[in-house]
Amino acid sequence: SQTIHQWPATLVQPVGSPLSLECTVEGTSNPNLYWYRQAAGRGLQLLFYSVGIGQISSEVPQNLSASRPQDRQFILSSKKLLLSDSGFYLCAWSEGPVGRDTQYFGPGTRLTVL
Amino acid sequence: TQLLEQSPQFLSIQEGENLTVYCNSSSVFSSLQWYRQEPGEGPVLLVTVVTGGEVKKLKRLTFQFGDARKDSSLHITAAQPGDTGLYLCAGGKDSNYQLIWGAGTKLIIKP
Repeated sequence: SQTIHQWPATLVQPVGSPLSLECTVEGTSNPNLYWYRQAAGRGLQLLFYSVGIGQISSEVPQNLSASRPQDRQFILSSKKLLLSDSGFYLCAWSEGPVGRDTQYFGPGTRLTVL
Repeated sequence: TQLLEQSPQFLSIQEGENLTVYCNSSSVFSSLQWYRQEPGEGPVLLVTVVTGGEVKKLKRLTFQFGDARKDSSLHITAAQPGDTGLYLCAGGKDSNYQLIWGAGTKLIIKP
């Protein structure tokens, strides 16, 4: 069966510090991968998605970046965090190439920038 | 810009009552997915509807896709405290990889 891992679960970082959040998927090959950010109790904002190694599409211009160094690894980074980067970050994967396919979510990372 | 509008944004009712959550758009979608999310966790898929007019039932939950595939509803019968959570709808198109997400309905069922 497929599983998706995210770490760390919670993170408190000062403004201006770097960020690295990691997501890995097990039990599947060549998944579509997604990074979302969610404000408290609200919907999901798509940040990045990837359909293959080294292929990253950015949806929202900001100080975040994503990389996919391996087939089942997706990393969200920042060189200098802003207060507005605080939020709940979710990684997800889907099997198929189209929007009707189910997205499976990781447990999320709660990021607080102080 | 494609938008999915969910209503109501927040709903607090007593155990045993019925409720309906709506998800509306001016765009046509190939599919409409409903997810439920508990605090501190990722969303979990409840159902996917793909055919206009389609109705799916999941125990006390009934999902309907509009005939024109622009809207959907979630009806819960005899709500239970375990139904509490954030309900998210998401529209998919076969032409791209992304889902268009609604802002969510926060549901609280009081015992």
